[in-house]
Amino acid sequence: SQQGEEDPQALSIQEGENATMNCSYKTSINNLQWYRQNSGRGLVHLILIRSNEREKHSGRLRVTLDTSKKSSSLLITASRAADTASYFCAPIEGADGLTFGKGTHLIIQP
Amino acid sequence: DAMVIQNPRYQVTQFGKPVTLSCSQTLNHNVMYWYQQKSSQAPKLLFHYYDKDFNNEADTPDNFQSRRPNTSFCFLDIRSPGLGDAAMYLCATSPGSHNEQFFGPGTRLTVL
Repeated sequence: SQQGEEDPQALSIQEGENATMNCSYKTSINNLQWYRQNSGRGLVHLILIRSNEREKHSGRLRVTLDTSKKSSSLLITASRAADTASYFCAPIEGADGLTFGKGTHLIIQP
Repeated sequence: DAMVIQNPRYQVTQFGKPVTLSCSQTLNHNVMYWYQQKSSQAPKLLFHYYDKDFNNEADTPDNFQSRRPNTSFCFLDIRSPGLGDAAMYLCATSPGSHNEQFFGPGTRLTVL
């Protein structure tokens, strides 16, 4: 699968604020997935959004997908210290497996 | 709870000494993946199995091999570890292609 490019590479906000990170990709996709990785641990799947969907919610997470712009965004509302992690997007097309970009490193300040 | 288990969590080996990392799953998923994650980098797919079909990434070194003796287990063999192979190795499973993946906690490999 193709690699997504996350932006910004680093983001530091105060606890309680909202965090928004973006993902861009190059070619058409089957779906796009977001993952979180806490320091030194395995990845956790957050949300999968299909190419025919425009928005999806899961708890405090909101993901949008704009296939015309080949971009996606992940919004975390009311951030908590436990949200401190690296966030990766993975655009999924023909080939199996995830190809990750450098990620967005989110720090929630107390 | 259904899960992906990796053993050991930490592995130390010597330069050139073969090492095997283990992954097991209770999810009964068809697909199992191995990723390598070096310090401060994103995970990189090495290969995956769809059932018994092995799929190697083009740039995975020959030094890395894998076995999947049954649905539940998948092994990563590093035949002659070099210092550059020190990394976190992540196993993941998925019910099918293009689905969400479930990751294990990883095995951190140190090569002395």
